[in-house]
Amino acid sequence: GAVVSQHPSRVICKSGTSVKIECRSLDFQATTMFWYRQFPKKSLMLMATSNEGSKATYEQGVEKDKFLINHASLTLSTLTVTSAHPEDSSFYICSARDPGTSGNTQYFGPGTRLTVL
Amino acid sequence: AQSVTQLGSHVSVSEGALVLLRCNYSSSVPPYLFWYVQYPNQGLQLLLKYTTGATLVKGINGFEAEFKKSETSFHLTKPSAHMSDAAEYFCAVSVVGGKLIFGQGTELSVKP
Repeated sequence: GAVVSQHPSRVICKSGTSVKIECRSLDFQATTMFWYRQFPKKSLMLMATSNEGSKATYEQGVEKDKFLINHASLTLSTLTVTSAHPEDSSFYICSARDPGTSGNTQYFGPGTRLTVL
Repeated sequence: AQSVTQLGSHVSVSEGALVLLRCNYSSSVPPYLFWYVQYPNQGLQLLLKYTTGATLVKGINGFEAEFKKSETSFHLTKPSAHMSDAAEYFCAVSVVGGKLIFGQGTELSVKP
């Protein structure tokens, strides 16, 4: 099956610093990737849709200047949390849509646990 | 607008018993429906999906689901639960632009 990787799997940073998370589709080209945030015992909240070669589309209420998304190639999207604060601590998950599958199936990365001190 | 409702935030079954996780959706167009499983501190793994064709779809790990248009349902079943099935399960519907709308999730516990 399709494989999506995320790096790092876990990161701890100080308040005010920036953190970059990478999402890669390993065995298919993904023109579209998605970034989600998940709170404990909660479902996934879509943050933004990342399209290769164009600006990301952010969901209502998500600060685009705080959560910078870059989709520079067909296999890589990055999420940068700028000037992170403790309230940004969360589990961030990316997914990549495989256009070669029925229903444009999304395959998910393993997630990144961000802790801001 | 499309939406997904999973009945029961927590389901507990005994090992070897039938697993039934309920999912109802609303959609103004023929839906693409998905079930994903999430183990603690991990991402989501695709269990199965319905796009077109046969309404009974089989997935990994012995799971299957049936798309019932008249009932707007896509319930997930497994004949015999295993301890390793304990996890969080999410039902989702695909909407315009390929976004997924998720249900709130159902935590499955399996008792020995």
